Amino acid sequence: DVKVTQSSRYLVKRTGEKVFLECVQDMDHENMFWYRQDPGLGLRLIYFSYDVKMKEKGDIPEGYSVSREKKERFSLILESASTNQTSMYLCASSSEGRARNSPLHFGNGTRLTVT
Amino acid sequence: GIQVEQSPPDLILQEGANSTLRCNFSDSVNNLQWFHQNPWGQLINLFYIPSGTKQNGRLSATTVATERYSLLYISSSQTTDSGVYFCAVETLGGGTSYGKLTFGQGTILTVHP
Repeated sequence: DVKVTQSSRYLVKRTGEKVFLECVQDMDHENMFWYRQDPGLGLRLIYFSYDVKMKEKGDIPEGYSVSREKKERFSLILESASTNQTSMYLCASSSEGRARNSPLHFGNGTRLTVT
Repeated sequence: GIQVEQSPPDLILQEGANSTLRCNFSDSVNNLQWFHQNPWGQLINLFYIPSGTKQNGRLSATTVATERYSLLYISSSQTTDSGVYFCAVETLGGGTSYGKLTFGQGTILTVHP
């Protein structure tokens, strides 16, 4: 079974802090994604990566950056956390690079609270 | 961008009942997936189904791509089926989409014993 592991289940940070959310997958998947989920807004794509060191903006990249130095690891960075970034963050991965026809597998999520 | 509408928004069932969830989308798609989010927040992939019909135990799904909709059937529902069901799609065209999915708002299913 595919395993996508997010480093923290719950996280509380202060406004202005730099926050790192880590995600690791164990299936050698090319594609990795970061979504956030908010009540009433559903899941929205922040960033994704289709290869090591490659990244593309999703629908709501403002205030975030990402890093993919190794194939199995995809990090989401909040440069200066703000209260409107309080949310559930979900990491996901899928295989087959440009093939676009692979199931998406999610981690358990990180519930981030910014105070 | 593509619009994904799911119906009904909420559904309450007694254990053992059957149900049908619907997903309409506004453009041609090459990728459609159904997910179940359990009460603890975990999202589980149920089906990858851009067209045709698939079955997995009590669950089955049908996508009619030409008419831009997909249906998820749950038979003999159980309390463990409770949660939120999401449909997600990716549009045709563009060589750099890489499986980037747009999610619907979800159907909240509650199954009572």
